[in-house]
Amino acid sequence: LAKTTQPISMDSYEGQEVNITCSHNNIATNDYITWYQQFPSQGPRFIIQGYKTKVTNEVASLFIPADRKSSTLSLPRVSLSDTAVYYCLVGDGSGGFKTIFGAGTRLFVKA
Amino acid sequence: GAGVSQSPSNKVTEKGKDVELRCDPISGHTALYWYRQRLGQGLEFLIYFQGNSAPDKSGLPSDRFSAERTGESVSTLTIQRTQQEDSAVYLCASSLWGSGETQYFGPGTRLLVL
Repeated sequence: LAKTTQPISMDSYEGQEVNITCSHNNIATNDYITWYQQFPSQGPRFIIQGYKTKVTNEVASLFIPADRKSSTLSLPRVSLSDTAVYYCLVGDGSGGFKTIFGAGTRLFVKA
Repeated sequence: GAGVSQSPSNKVTEKGKDVELRCDPISGHTALYWYRQRLGQGLEFLIYFQGNSAPDKSGLPSDRFSAERTGESVSTLTIQRTQQEDSAVYLCASSLWGSGETQYFGPGTRLLVL
């Protein structure tokens, strides 16, 4: 099961682009990379998922290099409401997997 | 049913009592997960269901913890003889199939053991 490593915390200012990188050195061939966002007193919420190269949706972009040993979540022009914990998750995609979220990255957006 | 629901939303109990937490997944979702989250910590995987069977129970912290799922829908997590270290938020999630599928989380049950 691929283990992930993320920075514990990050600070940013409103309007800036924020990039959070996750390392997953032993990612397997059929693993997907998924990012979740969690606000205080709420369950995590799906942000974006990818397998390789780049994925973009209305909320974020996910960049995955060719070796897939890391991935970067990019949040464009953050606002105060983006203050949350962001989790990187790698799943084996083989059907029924034990998911390990880790401690996540606490992003604090300042005015 | 729009999303995953959990009940109760909050539970205060005395040490040594048993508690039962309930999760109603999104209709049609065959996979269901239970997690524990202590204050300021990340999510700790407890157990996973595919349909009504639990192929992976390795995350249950002790034999005081058990879970079941019936009719490929509702799941209950039972904690017997609760201890103060069981105090946490217990989160339930469901996904369509389980294979790398997006997990949809409920609001959680906040358990406080006095």
